[in-house]
Amino acid sequence: QVQLVQSGAEVTKPGASVRVSCKASGYTFTDYYIHWVRQAPGQGLEWMGWINPNSGGTEFPQKFQGRVTMTRDTSISTAYMELGRLGSDDTAVYYCARQYYYSYFMDVWGKGTTVTVSS
Amino acid sequence: QSALTQPASVSGSPGQSITISCTGTSSDVGTYNFVSWYQQYPGKAPKLILYDVSNRPSGVSYRFSGSKSGYTASLTISGLQAEDEAAYYCTSYATGLYVFGTGTEVTVL
Repeated sequence: QVQLVQSGAEVTKPGASVRVSCKASGYTFTDYYIHWVRQAPGQGLEWMGWINPNSGGTEFPQKFQGRVTMTRDTSISTAYMELGRLGSDDTAVYYCARQYYYSYFMDVWGKGTTVTVSS
Repeated sequence: QSALTQPASVSGSPGQSITISCTGTSSDVGTYNFVSWYQQYPGKAPKLILYDVSNRPSGVSYRFSGSKSGYTASLTISGLQAEDEAAYYCTSYATGLYVFGTGTEVTVL
């Protein structure tokens, strides 16, 4: 079945970077964008950007420009999101989700990866 | 790029209908019919319940319906049930980017 399996929880320090992975299965990886969305404790969803697994092209909102990197490895159908210069307000659950190229919605989501930033 | 505006909470009794609004701008909701809605239970990933304003994915209850007028999209839940108690988020396409709503907690009284 179609699923996105994310890497395990991370605990890291302020100023460091974290990389979260999202492994796709059950569909053609390069036919769907991968989005990254985060949710701080008790807060709402926040869109972080997307990557086109076919071309490697990315798009981010201005808030994350220069601090987030999204990459992919098509040989293992896996997308990665790396966030740098972490602060305590980056503590959140990070989700990946897929979007078919010719659509404008995210139909399958990963279960989320908890990232805790603490000194 | 500001978050779309949703009411923080909406409540209703079983069997009633409730409506959640999602207000954006001319850069997002006002221009594009690419509004989708997600249901999220505590500790779980969001689940798609409506896309392109009013379309339901396979397997989603007919009790969920959507509409849009101007800069505001709306999600209506009819025949409210206990299982509908969750958080609901709208999102809109905005010229290459996406923006989520602030989220609405639905309580079934």
